[in-house]
Amino acid sequence: EPEVTQTPSHQVTQMGQEVILRCVPISNHLYFYWYRQILGQKVEFLVSFYNNEISEKSEIFDDQFSVERPDGSNFTLKIRSTKLEDSAMYFCASRTTGSNEKLFFGSGTQLSVL
Amino acid sequence: AQSVTQPDIHITVSEGASLELRCNYSYGATPYLFWYVQSPGQGLQLLLKYFSGDTLVQGIKGFEAEFKRSQSSFNLRKPSVHWSDAAEYFCAVGAHPGGGNKLTFGTGTQLKVEL
Repeated sequence: EPEVTQTPSHQVTQMGQEVILRCVPISNHLYFYWYRQILGQKVEFLVSFYNNEISEKSEIFDDQFSVERPDGSNFTLKIRSTKLEDSAMYFCASRTTGSNEKLFFGSGTQLSVL
Repeated sequence: AQSVTQPDIHITVSEGASLELRCNYSYGATPYLFWYVQSPGQGLQLLLKYFSGDTLVQGIKGFEAEFKRSQSSFNLRKPSVHWSDAAEYFCAVGAHPGGGNKLTFGTGTQLKVEL
């Protein structure tokens, strides 16, 4: 089965630093997403991306966050100035379209902000 | 606002025993309901989904779930659990049959299987 690939699997950073989380969605997918899960809490929607623009975002996704599809294969999430509360598992996902739509998740990047 | 409640944080069952994981949802329109499983070090994998038709849905790995509108529930079941089923299970509700935008997840149920 095709996979969504996320790198790195673990990222440690200092508070205030910028981080970029990388994802390679499945090649023929057109819809891309970021979700996150703070330890012990629910998986939460952050942002959806389609046709090179954000289609929807949650209130979590403030000005510190941005997404980009720089080269047609990668899909990145940037956090400009990390805060302690940004520590979470970040999941990338991509979706098929058509009669058997399905959302595929990556294995996640565990971000630890110190 | 949509929400999902998984009342059991941890469940332990013996291998070969039956399993039921509970999920209750709140959603204003016809819900699209999903169960995902996350094994250690793995991504969220779709087990099954419901969006219309037969209220008993069959999924992968021998799992099934039953949609009960009157109870706002979508419980996941398996008649005989295998040790490899030990993982975290998430119920989710969304506005789209493929998932995607604004899936709302429950807090998850951690399943432990005793040999």
